[in-house]
Formats: sequence, structure tokens, C-alpha cells
Amino acid sequence: AQSVAQPEDQVNVAEGNPLTVKCTYSVSGNPYLFWYVQYPNRGLQFLLKYITGDNLVKGSYGFEAEFNKSQTSFHLKKPSALVSDSALYFCAVRGPNTGFQKLVFGTGTRLLVSP
Amino acid sequence: DAGVIQSPRHEVTEMGQEVTLRCKPISGHNSLFWYRQTMMRGLELLIYFNNNVPIDDSGMPEDRFSAKMPNASFSTLKIQPSEPRDSAVYFCASSLAGAENQPQHFGDGTRLSIL
Repeated sequence: AQSVAQPEDQVNVAEGNPLTVKCTYSVSGNPYLFWYVQYPNRGLQFLLKYITGDNLVKGSYGFEAEFNKSQTSFHLKKPSALVSDSALYFCAVRGPNTGFQKLVFGTGTRLLVSP
Repeated sequence: DAGVIQSPRHEVTEMGQEVTLRCKPISGHNSLFWYRQTMMRGLELLIYFNNNVPIDDSGMPEDRFSAKMPNASFSTLKIQPSEPRDSAVYFCASSLAGAENQPQHFGDGTRLSIL
């Protein structure tokens, strides 16, 4: 069975500082990994994905994520946080051959960026 | 490009009433997902369809919930009779199955309150 863990309910960072939102996964075989962001009163928006290839994946709004197979992690990062990055972030995983694009989502991490 | 469209955006009704939530997926997408989001339980997958056929409805909480997809451009989620514990935000998402690991695209949800 596939699973995703986001160990932090909330991450606080000052504007301009680097940010990291953690995600670890469990899946049989090679994982397909995704990050989504949710702003208040909106649906989840796709940020980036890892399928294969380079372990560092770049996505929307200056975010990137690093895939680490040995640590089964896919942490979301940004070199310099903005107040507007404050939102709820979800990591999601799909194992190979699971069909029909079904994703397993983590519980979400709330990011608060202070001015 | 039009995204996933959900209606209504907000619904307030009394316990025991029938509730129907509607979703129009992105044109050309052939997988459709219904999720429920609450503070207590996070994001839950209720049911998903591929080519209008329900594939997995194991997340549907009980027989009061039903979902249909009569054609590729429309789906409904119905609750009858509704109960206060059904209060949540319900999201619809669509994706392109068969195209390797395309992300799911979410609508902005229906905020349902059962009094």
C-alpha cells in the first residue's frame, strides 16, 4: 500500500529566508511524487512532480523539490520565502501500475511566512 | 482554459434534505475524482471514474452517498438524506488517464453546511 507522511502540521519562516516542507513516502516500486498548494477557499493547485530523471525538480512560483530515494523523501523547498507563499501544502504519491491516476495525499502542512 | 467547474460554491441546507453537487471536468480529461475535506479527517478520496465508469467507490462513507457520471463532461455527487456530519468542502478533480502521470486538476470546491 502507498502512503505519505508530512511530519509537520505547521512550518513558520520569516520572509526572505529559505523554507523546507518535509514529505516522506512509502510505495512499492518507483514512486511518482507530487506537491500541491491550497490557498484559502480554493482547490488544490499543482506545483511540481517527480517522475524520473533529475532528483531536483523545479516547479511553479520558484518552488523546487528534491527526491531522495535512499531516504524515501521528497521535500519541498524555496530559497527565499514570500508572505504570499503562506498556504496549505500537500504531498502526494502514486505507485507504478496503480492505474487511473489515483493519488494518495498527505495530511498537509500549513506554511506561515511572516513579514 | 477553463478549469474544473463545480457548483454550487456554497450550500446550506437542513438535515434530511437531499443535496446534489455538480462537477464539469476539464475537456478531454477522462478520469474524475470526488474528494471531501474536513479539519478532522483531512482530504479523503470518495470515488473516482475512468471513462465515465466508477472504478473505486470504497471511500464513499455510506449508502446515503451516491455519484454518477452520465457523460464525459458532467458528474454529480448526491447525499440523501443529509446529516450535519456531512458538512465539509467537497472537491472534484480531473486528469488525463493514459498519459503518464499527469497531475490532477481541482475545482474550487463546494462548501456544504448541513444544519
